[in-house]
Amino acid sequence: EDKVVQSPLSLVVHEGDTVTLNCSYEVTNFRSLLWYKQEKKAPTFLFMLTSSGIEKKSGRLSSILDKKELFSILNITATQTGDSAVYLCAVEAYSGGGADGLTFGKGTHLIIQP
Amino acid sequence: DTAVSQTPKYLVTQMGNDKSIKCEQNLGHDTMYWYKQDSKKFLKIMFSYNNKELIINETVPNRFSPKSPDKAHLNLHINSLELGDSAVYFCASSQGVGGAVWETQYFGPGTRLLVL
Repeated sequence: EDKVVQSPLSLVVHEGDTVTLNCSYEVTNFRSLLWYKQEKKAPTFLFMLTSSGIEKKSGRLSSILDKKELFSILNITATQTGDSAVYLCAVEAYSGGGADGLTFGKGTHLIIQP
Repeated sequence: DTAVSQTPKYLVTQMGNDKSIKCEQNLGHDTMYWYKQDSKKFLKIMFSYNNKELIINETVPNRFSPKSPDKAHLNLHINSLELGDSAVYFCASSQGVGGAVWETQYFGPGTRLLVL
């Protein structure tokens, strides 16, 4: 059974700190790894990673994938209170007819204190 | 110990047909959701039910109708399927109504719908 494990489950830091969120996975026929930011309603798509070692960057957020060690990290630098959210990692796998659905991790609850 | 399950996993059907996707959660959560994932991997919320009561109904065609027989189940029925309905549909659940930033939604594995 496909598995996605995120750590830590929760994290409280001060504004301006840098945080690293972890996601490890065990998936048959890996296709891609996705990061989402979930606030009050629908999760917002952040990144899709398919290749090892290539950093994806968007403003203060960046992410990288290691397909050999089966994990990804999401970094947020100079954190702001608006970064407070649940960050979800999900892994997509191939099936015979194309991509499978997603297996989601349980999320990391990030709280940024002023 | 599957938390949120969806059936079927794959659904291939002809245009004009009516189909249903089922979702069940065994987490004891009060709120369930349906999302549509687009080709860019964005998750768009469609509906949300809290204790069998509809609380979110985004702009989706009337052909989509959710039904919640009890708080552990939220089914999605789609009438007169169109080509543009082809997507992956995700069900999710959460303890509350999503008003707190620290509340996690637990997602099902998705149902891949292909309309031919």
